[in-house]
Amino acid sequence: EDQVTQSPEALRLQEGESSSLNCSYTVSGLRGLFWYRQDPGKGPEFLFTLYSAGEEKEKERLKATLTKKESFLHITAPKPEDSATYLCAVQPVDSNYQLIWGAGTKLIIKP
Amino acid sequence: GAVVSQHPSWVICKSGTSVKIECRSLDFQATTMFWYRQFPKQSLMLMATSNEGSKATYEQGVEKDKFLINHASLTLSTLTVTSAHPEDSSFYICSARDASGGSSYNEQFFGPGTRLTVL
Repeated sequence: EDQVTQSPEALRLQEGESSSLNCSYTVSGLRGLFWYRQDPGKGPEFLFTLYSAGEEKEKERLKATLTKKESFLHITAPKPEDSATYLCAVQPVDSNYQLIWGAGTKLIIKP
Repeated sequence: GAVVSQHPSWVICKSGTSVKIECRSLDFQATTMFWYRQFPKQSLMLMATSNEGSKATYEQGVEKDKFLINHASLTLSTLTVTSAHPEDSSFYICSARDASGGSSYNEQFFGPGTRLTVL
C-alpha cells in the first residue's frame, strides 16, 4: 500500500536554528514527490517537486532532497515567518495525477 | 503564474440547504481539478478528481449524490454540497493541474479554501 509518513509531528526551533523535516514513503512507482507549505486557514502553497533519487532543489532558506525511501526538507537559519505546516505528498506513476499526503509537520520558529 | 481562486472564502448555511463552491484557474488551463476537505489539525483528504468534460471520479466513502462536481470548462470547476448537515462543516480546498505540458505538468496548485459552517 502506498504510504507517506512525516516526522516529527511538530518542531519548535529558535530563530536561526537550522533543522530538517523528514518524509518517508513507500510507493510502487514514484512519478514525483512534492513539498507544500500551509498556513492556518489557507490552501497549501507549492514549494518543490522532486522526481529522482539524488535530486535537490532550493528556494531561499529551504532545500529539499530525495532518496529512494525518503525526502528531507532542510531549513537553514529559519525566521519566524517560516512558521507553518509543511506537507509532503507522493504521486504514484499509476495515479490520475492524484497525491498521497503525509500528515504534515508543524514548524514553529520562535524569535 | 499558476493562481487558483475559490469563491466564497467562507459560507454559513442552514441545515438542509445546498451550497455551491467555485474553483477557477486564473492564468492557466486545468484539464484536471481536485477537491479536498480538511478537518482541524488533519491533513488533506481527497474527495474527488474532476476532468474537464467528463464525470468526476469520487474517492471511496464520498457520496457523489451529496457532493456534486461539475467541471464545465478548462478554468472552472464547482462543488455543490446538497442538503448540507452540520457534519459537512469543514474546510474545502480545490486544486488544479496545469495541462499545458510545461515544467509544472505534474504539480497541483491550490486555491485558498472555503470554510463551510452548517448550522
